[in-house]
Amino acid sequence: QVQLQESGPRLVKPSQTLSLSCTVSGGSISSAGHYWSWIRQHPGKGLEWFGYIYHSGNTFYNPSLKSRLTISVDTSKNQFYLSLSSVTAADTAVYYCARGSSRSWSIFEFWGQGILVTVSS
Amino acid sequence: DIQMTQSPSSLSASVGDRVTITCRASEGIATYLNWYQQKPGKAPKILIFGASSLQSGVPSRFSGSGSGTDFSLTISSLQPEDFATYYCQQSYSSSITFGQGTRLEIK
Repeated sequence: QVQLQESGPRLVKPSQTLSLSCTVSGGSISSAGHYWSWIRQHPGKGLEWFGYIYHSGNTFYNPSLKSRLTISVDTSKNQFYLSLSSVTAADTAVYYCARGSSRSWSIFEFWGQGILVTVSS
Repeated sequence: DIQMTQSPSSLSASVGDRVTITCRASEGIATYLNWYQQKPGKAPKILIFGASSLQSGVPSRFSGSGSGTDFSLTISSLQPEDFATYYCQQSYSSSITFGQGTRLEIK
């Protein structure tokens, strides 16, 4: 069973860069046909998809966040990463990493437990 | 972006009830519609994909239907563990969007 675990700073100052890691266990991040996404959820609100990465490094980003967003991967560590620049209080949210199913990258079959990141000075 | 609108926003029901949650897309999405269940403090869990296909391991009391712009999730007989928030998600556009959620509470 694939498991994902987010990690990183839980407090980030405004204007700084939010950086998170997602460690994949129970399977390889290089497995064919699986795409790895970041999704966030503002407190008490709905879900917002950021983008995905494939183990080859190919990415696709949500156009509304693209200018501040970088998703990268390190297959040797079985990890992928989120970098969100110029954060504001509006970026305070629970951040999830997720894996798409073998049917479609956009059916989120496995999720991390989530990490609450607060943007505050 | 394709907007997904769920109704109702919240719903009170009793164990054993049959409940239906609806989701409307701002434009046609064929059957590229997925449903998730989220419990407090937990990540969402996929229930239904492709509008009507049950994810492996999900109880058969959950079912989905619809195509185009109008979709529904039905729970045939509510169990205590079903009280949660439910989200629809469109996967027609490469810019994924979710509904705002329907909170299902115990009456």
